[in-house]
Amino acid sequence: AQTVTQSQPEMSVQEAETVTLSCTYDTSESDYYLFWYKQPPSRQMILVIRQEAYKQQNATENRFSVNFQKAAKSFSLKISDSQLGDAAMYFCAYSLPNFGNEKLTFGTGTRLTIIP
Amino acid sequence: EAEVAQSPRYKITEKSQAVAFWCDPISGHATLYWYRQILGQGPELLVQFQDESVVDDSQLPKDRFSAERLKGVDSTLKIQPAELGDSAMYLCASSLGARYTDTQYFGPGTRLTVL
Repeated sequence: AQTVTQSQPEMSVQEAETVTLSCTYDTSESDYYLFWYKQPPSRQMILVIRQEAYKQQNATENRFSVNFQKAAKSFSLKISDSQLGDAAMYFCAYSLPNFGNEKLTFGTGTRLTIIP
Repeated sequence: EAEVAQSPRYKITEKSQAVAFWCDPISGHATLYWYRQILGQGPELLVQFQDESVVDDSQLPKDRFSAERLKGVDSTLKIQPAELGDSAMYLCASSLGARYTDTQYFGPGTRLTVL
């Protein structure tokens, strides 16, 4: 079974600084997808960024980028120029690209606090 | 912007009572998911629908939980009887379902407290 591990229950960063959230996963599959989801307090979970395992290039979305190390099974999220609105729980997640296996397997999350 | 709707947002019930949660996915989304998120943990899939058919309910406690999506649009998740350990956030998500890698969009969730 696939597992996702987030070893940092909480992180904090000064506004405008850069922070990196860690995620490792375990799978025997060669083709899969990895995601970072953001869950703000009392608001719905939204997708931040996604990475296809077959792509070597790291995904980027504006201030958000990932460092995908397939051999090490590591998938970290870097947030640049942190803003107050970035404060949230961040979940790393994994899924398989075939029908019936698209369910997301989540880590336990990292609570990110932005210090003004 | 279209969103996944869920109701109620909060539900408090006593153990052994029945509860039901409703989810209305984004219009046109064929795939619907129910996840359970226990405090301090990540969400875990309970059931997945493709249109009106169940694709995966392997983690659904079928002795007390049931889910349906009769017309392939909105969905209801029921617990009967509720137990103390069912206290959690119940999240509904939907995706287009046209490709296996379509983005899942989440609703605001229903927070259930069982007393």
